[in-house]
Amino acid sequence: GAGVSQSPSNKVTEKGKDVELRCDPISGHTALYWYRQRLGQGLEFLIYFQGNSAPDKSGLPSDRFSAERTGESVSTLTIQRTQQEDSAVYLCASSLDTATFYGYTFGSGTRLTVV
Amino acid sequence: AQSVTQLDSQVPVFEEAPVELRCNYSSSVSVYLFWYVQYPNQGLQLLLKYLSGSTLVESINGFEAEFNKSQTSFHLRKPSVHISDTAEYFCAVTINAGNMLTFGGGTRLMVKP
Repeated sequence: GAGVSQSPSNKVTEKGKDVELRCDPISGHTALYWYRQRLGQGLEFLIYFQGNSAPDKSGLPSDRFSAERTGESVSTLTIQRTQQEDSAVYLCASSLDTATFYGYTFGSGTRLTVV
Repeated sequence: AQSVTQLDSQVPVFEEAPVELRCNYSSSVSVYLFWYVQYPNQGLQLLLKYLSGSTLVESINGFEAEFNKSQTSFHLRKPSVHISDTAEYFCAVTINAGNMLTFGGGTRLMVKP
């Protein structure tokens, strides 16, 4: 597509429930990233996919968080047993292999509220 | 590992005044530097970037940033701001061997009439 698409745009869930967030990157972008932005704070790296390589999961805050990506297409970020501190905007970005020259293209994010 | 520090979390300024948003980074190797802007209720957009060559880079809407290797800084400036510049600005860095960007904590620019 023309841009990075994320769904849903907003999600309200009850504490303890599981949620699944979706990211559809730009066609041809081999790299895909997930970041979290808590209210009033900066971007916190979560996970990075590059082509068929093993993902860099070093930013995932706990084992309740997981992400998958099929090939160079859609990615899903799953949060199990959600907690109130998981409330944040979850941002997805994609880039060409040479992201150092082009930077990232971000989606508009999914605003997650855990009540 | 690289890190990015944006010293000011908020910068209030009057319309048509100059502004500087500070960004310092730490890295032991060569870096590529970026500024992203996030307008209210929108996603992040690339504003400008330094890859190599001239240390002064400009955006299409009047912002500029200067790469200063000795001071490990990449401050963002604009000589005269507009109300429409109200947004959050993020500085980011990546080392030459990798793709992943490390972001600073962001600076909220608030332009007042």
